Amino acid sequence: GDSVTQMEGPVTLSEEAFLTINCTYTATGYPSLFWYVQYPGEGLQLLLKATKADDKGSNKGFEATYRKETTSFHLEKGSVQVSDSAVYFCALSDQIVAGNNRKLIWGLGTSLAVNP
Amino acid sequence: DVKVTQSSRYLVKRTGEKVFLECVQDMDHENMFWYRQDPGLGLRLIYFSYDVKMKEKGDIPEGYSVSREKKERFSLILESASTNQTSMYLCASRNRRGTDTQYFGPGTRLTVL
Repeated sequence: GDSVTQMEGPVTLSEEAFLTINCTYTATGYPSLFWYVQYPGEGLQLLLKATKADDKGSNKGFEATYRKETTSFHLEKGSVQVSDSAVYFCALSDQIVAGNNRKLIWGLGTSLAVNP
Repeated sequence: DVKVTQSSRYLVKRTGEKVFLECVQDMDHENMFWYRQDPGLGLRLIYFSYDVKMKEKGDIPEGYSVSREKKERFSLILESASTNQTSMYLCASRNRRGTDTQYFGPGTRLTVL
């Protein structure tokens, strides 16, 4: 079945460092891809998404490009801040279930800590 | 802004108790979801509902049931709580289309003693 694999954390960086969190997927169809972020003590919120190959999602200085040839959707940011400390989840949406609805397939999450 | 609220942020229950977790969304979304989140296991789908009175089992439905009598409300029920159900429970809602965002509540941290 479809699956998502994220790099394991925790990732620890200094402020202003470059961030990459790797995400690869397997899917039989043409999934939409998402990055969600969970700040401490909060629920998840959408960070960015891409719905087709070669799309680039971007938000708050984060970017990810949907690469069908490498089945990847790596998250990048050029200069991280302390406020970016959170858990990041990669997900795909391509599972047709009851009522023609879809559910998300989630990665395990990558914890990021940014030090001043 | 879409808002998803959950009835409690923290809950402590005893083994064998019946536990109700409530979730309410205010955006008329068709789909609602219950997940549990555990360290090292990510998010696991317990149940989801794609319309009123409709429900589908997720990946780990054992020990849980759900109820969706109104479109805005989705309840998760632990019929007889056990210690291995100690976890963070997250509710989410979404429009029907697969590319649409899932909106999450703040979570309920449940401890079963």
